[in-house]
Amino acid sequence: QSALTQPASVSGSPGQSITISCTGTSSDVGGHDYVSWYQQHPGKAPKLIIYDVSKRPSGVSNRFSGSKSGNTASLTISGLQAEDEADYHCSSYTSSSTGLFGGGTRLTVL
Amino acid sequence: EVQLVESGGGLVQPGGSLRLSCAASGFTFSNYWIHWVRQVPGKGLVWVSRINSDGSSTYYVDSVKGRFTISRDNAKNTLYLQMNSLRAEDTAIYYCARGATAVDPTWGFDYWGQGALVTVSS
Repeated sequence: QSALTQPASVSGSPGQSITISCTGTSSDVGGHDYVSWYQQHPGKAPKLIIYDVSKRPSGVSNRFSGSKSGNTASLTISGLQAEDEADYHCSSYTSSSTGLFGGGTRLTVL
Repeated sequence: EVQLVESGGGLVQPGGSLRLSCAASGFTFSNYWIHWVRQVPGKGLVWVSRINSDGSSTYYVDSVKGRFTISRDNAKNTLYLQMNSLRAEDTAIYYCARGATAVDPTWGFDYWGQGALVTVSS
């Protein structure tokens, strides 16, 4: 049960778009359409922003979008804003009926 | 308003035990899978365990199997995590989080508690 692989950090300027990748295996990311993404600000609990690969919960900005190709899921944030600066975590359901998270990605808005 | 409130965290010696509770309100608790997720401050999230709506199915990450037990009391709208044989590496903030329902199997934890800090140290 190795963690999903995310880049440690990404950065972008206000208004730009960035993409965060989340790489797993055919036993997790590649095996199901059950990938979710979370935004976490310092000292706060995570917030769900994408579930089931590409679905957005009610109230989440449409600047956040998700996709998947093979064993890699991706989160794209368009029109970067200062308040998007946070940690982002991906999660996948696994073929063992367990869950798995990535190591997290720190997004810096320049 | 949906709320999840953890309690029971604290300092425990290696080899000791602790039971976390997660009190739920604002939704029909008995309809949902509930998960435990932990996080060492400054590090990534780690999925720990999940339990189905009636408590008949449970799953664990390998590192806690045989030491941790997840359970729930739907009459009290409360989730538990019994942690035995605790190790230094179990030190983390423990969150409970709401998952899917049986009729809508999604993968996304839409509500989280504020977290309970567990410190394992002598």
